Amino acid sequence: SQQGEEDPQALSIQEGENATMNCSYKTSINNLQWYRQNSGRGLVHLILIRSNEREKHSGRLRVTLDTSKKSSSLLITASRAADTASYFCATARLRDNYGQNFVFGPGTRLSVLP
Amino acid sequence: IAGITQAPTSQILAAGRRMTLRCTQDMRHNAMYWYRQDLGLGLRLIHYSNTAGTTGKGEVPDGYSVSRANTDDFPLTLASAVPSQTSVYFCASRQTGSGYGYTFGSGTRLTVV
Repeated sequence: SQQGEEDPQALSIQEGENATMNCSYKTSINNLQWYRQNSGRGLVHLILIRSNEREKHSGRLRVTLDTSKKSSSLLITASRAADTASYFCATARLRDNYGQNFVFGPGTRLSVLP
Repeated sequence: IAGITQAPTSQILAAGRRMTLRCTQDMRHNAMYWYRQDLGLGLRLIHYSNTAGTTGKGEVPDGYSVSRANTDDFPLTLASAVPSQTSVYFCASRQTGSGYGYTFGSGTRLTVV
């Protein structure tokens, strides 16, 4: 079963608008990470937030984490056409059969229209 | 350029054939991973290695084997390919510890016919 699930599955916005994607997970975690994947490419690490952090920023990215609700959100401000990609959350669980490995959600496909 | 190199980038393989996907990293990361990505299923862990000389099974290990003879290389072998192994395969690595993310390769697109 999936540990993390992103919502929505797909999102279309106009250039300049903000994009918000959400991730929910099921078990306690060490940290949560967000990745971007451009079509036909590998995933690129965007940002990591630890379980004792509530908010983190990196450039136009803002990530929040609510461990009581087991959820995280990724906000991309002032979106650009180049932000068009799929975005995945990945969780590092406290207890995991695979050690400190990450479990990925199915992703949100973001389309930024010019 | 530091990173992960995967080879080949794509391959069409006859069912029943043996195939090894290559993965090499030059970042001296301890941990390496193989994932497969399928539409609607996201990324699923096949095998992993926390350090050279050790390997472990992930979520979907059947039909695949790995070895980790040294820090840099982590090949994935399909002993006898089947059509359900048609997928995009990603190798990843990371430094062990709780504050590190993955570095991914560019992937191998494998079609088993």
